[in-house]
Amino acid sequence: EAQVTQNPRYLITVTGKKLTVTCSQNMNHEYMSWYRQDPGLGLRQIYYSMNVEVTDKGDVPEGYKVSRKEKRNFPLILESPSPNQTSLYFCASSPRGVSGNSPLHFGNGTRLTVT
Amino acid sequence: AQKITQTQPGMFVQEKEAVTLDCTYDTSDQSYGLFWYKQPSSGEMIFLIYQGSYDEQNATEGRYSLNFQKARKSANLVISASQLGDSAMYFCAMREREAGTALIFGKGTTLSVSS
Repeated sequence: EAQVTQNPRYLITVTGKKLTVTCSQNMNHEYMSWYRQDPGLGLRQIYYSMNVEVTDKGDVPEGYKVSRKEKRNFPLILESPSPNQTSLYFCASSPRGVSGNSPLHFGNGTRLTVT
Repeated sequence: AQKITQTQPGMFVQEKEAVTLDCTYDTSDQSYGLFWYKQPSSGEMIFLIYQGSYDEQNATEGRYSLNFQKARKSANLVISASQLGDSAMYFCAMREREAGTALIFGKGTTLSVSS
């Protein structure tokens, strides 16, 4: 089944403890992205990757890192999480680059709580 | 200025009635795409429908149609014959050609369908 898989689904952690949210897609998509969703703010892009070894900042990249060593994987790293990073996180992928009608395929989300 | 504006935080409709969810957008690009996603209470993001800026016909997908008025920069989602399962948050999103592949999301509209 074609899908984007994020893990974990739920994560509670403490301030400053490094964490990684994994994301993997099995559709051979070139483009991958991370979003965070907060009440009243919709979804905002954190980082994206156009292809292997190519990553770039989105609208809200502060406090996050990503890497794209393989086409299928795009982990999100929080080196020193803070409470304002408590949010619902989505990984997404798409087969095309700059334009086109390809929708983003989303993972099921990771609900992160930082205390 | 917001790129995507959804002015209705919440909408209420009875089963079998049609409902229109509003979306206006702001772009200076000539080539862009508009998307609608559904987010049920379980949290996943489900792609519903796409409209390209050069498409002359309004997009339709089953009970979903997009009322695209380019001069007014609006892309309203119309759901015909509402069902209880349509209760969810709905997001309008735009991809601008010049801005790469990022989808810019509105803040969403919560739709509640009652029997």
